[in-house]
Amino acid sequence: EIVLTQSPGTLSLSPGERATLSCRASQSVGSTYFAWFQQKPGQAPRLLIYGASTRATGVPDRFSGSGFGTDFTLTINRLEPEDFAVYYCQQYNMSPHTFGQGTKLEIK
Amino acid sequence: QVHLVQSGAEVKKPGSSVKVSCKASGGTFSSYALNWVRQAPGQGLEWMGGIIPILGSPNSAQKFQGRVTITADESTSTAYLEVTSLRSDDTAVYYCARGTTPWDYNCPMDVWGQGTTVTVS
Repeated sequence: EIVLTQSPGTLSLSPGERATLSCRASQSVGSTYFAWFQQKPGQAPRLLIYGASTRATGVPDRFSGSGFGTDFTLTINRLEPEDFAVYYCQQYNMSPHTFGQGTKLEIK
Repeated sequence: QVHLVQSGAEVKKPGSSVKVSCKASGGTFSSYALNWVRQAPGQGLEWMGGIIPILGSPNSAQKFQGRVTITADESTSTAYLEVTSLRSDDTAVYYCARGTTPWDYNCPMDVWGQGTTVTVS
């Protein structure tokens, strides 16, 4: 199975700053089959980005995704208080559709 | 707009089985993949498998094959996840989530149920 490794495990930033989250795959997943999710405590995950770089419906344009092959990045510009959450990457190219272990974005 | 509503919390004994349901409303059911994702307490997300109801044959993670059954009932727009031989490490919140693209297992999941807590103790 494809293993996804996210870094850092925890990211401490202040509102207004830029967050850069990384996800590395153990083998290529192309770009079409890659997503980012946001999860807040007690809530279901929310799809943010799919196809590595396409924002899902209703996602603010301060969220952007990039990458191809094995290395992917989620960038959040001008952090808002509601952006502090856990973020997961996922590949859906090959079964099982694995997730990364998550990056917790916390307020500094 | 599709909405997914899951069945309520369950408490089960080790070795028993649990069946969680996920009812869809407000959209097309049969041709979109319904996936199951679980999350153990304080842990990350784990994809278990999915089914395109009109096709019938589920696509499941090998880790769960033999112990997990994913089915769907088109007449009631409901998908089901059954887990047998429950162990303490099956304690988790179980989510259903719909794929974005009809007739395609390999697509992102954009609509999620509220989650069902299953406690094995």
